[in-house]
Amino acid sequence: GAGVSQSPSNKVTEKGKDVELRCDPISGHTALYWYRQRLGQGLEFLIYFQGNSAPDKSGLPSDRFSAERTGESVSTLTIQRTQQEDSAVYLCASNRGFGGARTDTQYFGPGTRLTVL
Amino acid sequence: GQNIDQPTEMTATEGAIVQINCTYQTSGFNGLFWYQQHAGEAPTFLSYNVLDGLEEKGRFSSFLSRSKGYSYLLLKELQMKDSASYLCAVRRYGGSQGNLIFGKGTKLSVKP
Repeated sequence: GAGVSQSPSNKVTEKGKDVELRCDPISGHTALYWYRQRLGQGLEFLIYFQGNSAPDKSGLPSDRFSAERTGESVSTLTIQRTQQEDSAVYLCASNRGFGGARTDTQYFGPGTRLTVL
Repeated sequence: GQNIDQPTEMTATEGAIVQINCTYQTSGFNGLFWYQQHAGEAPTFLSYNVLDGLEEKGRFSSFLSRSKGYSYLLLKELQMKDSASYLCAVRRYGGSQGNLIFGKGTKLSVKP
């Protein structure tokens, strides 16, 4: 597609439920990133994929968070047993990754706004 | 560790010039980015600096001093549509090849 897309745009769930957030990166972008943005806060790095491997999972806040990526396309971020502090906007970004120019910027999707009641 | 500081909020008048500062402390510096984020929308790329000096792009310019760990974003001829948050982000060598460490953003309000 023309840009990074994410679904759903909004998700309201009850505490304790599992949620899946989806990201479709720009076609041809090998690198994919997940960030979290709490209200009034900056972007918090969660995980990075190069192809379908994740060399850096250092930002995942707990073992309730996991992510997968199929080849060099769709990625799914799963949050198990959601807690109220998980409420945030989850942003996905992509770029050309390895082989891309050093100036290769990340292009962001519109985000998924997650509200845990 | 990594630390990026920028003012929380700024206010300026339409048609004026505003400078948003960003200071950073990080190892393995590999470039600094500025993004614009309108409320409820995704961040969009504005500028990139990796060498010292000023990069100009229309009404927006970005400056970097690596020795001082300092950057600024300069917005000229402010328009109402420039009201947004401006995010400073630093990229590092090593570890994750591409991830960016973001500041908390500066919310700019442009008033008539």
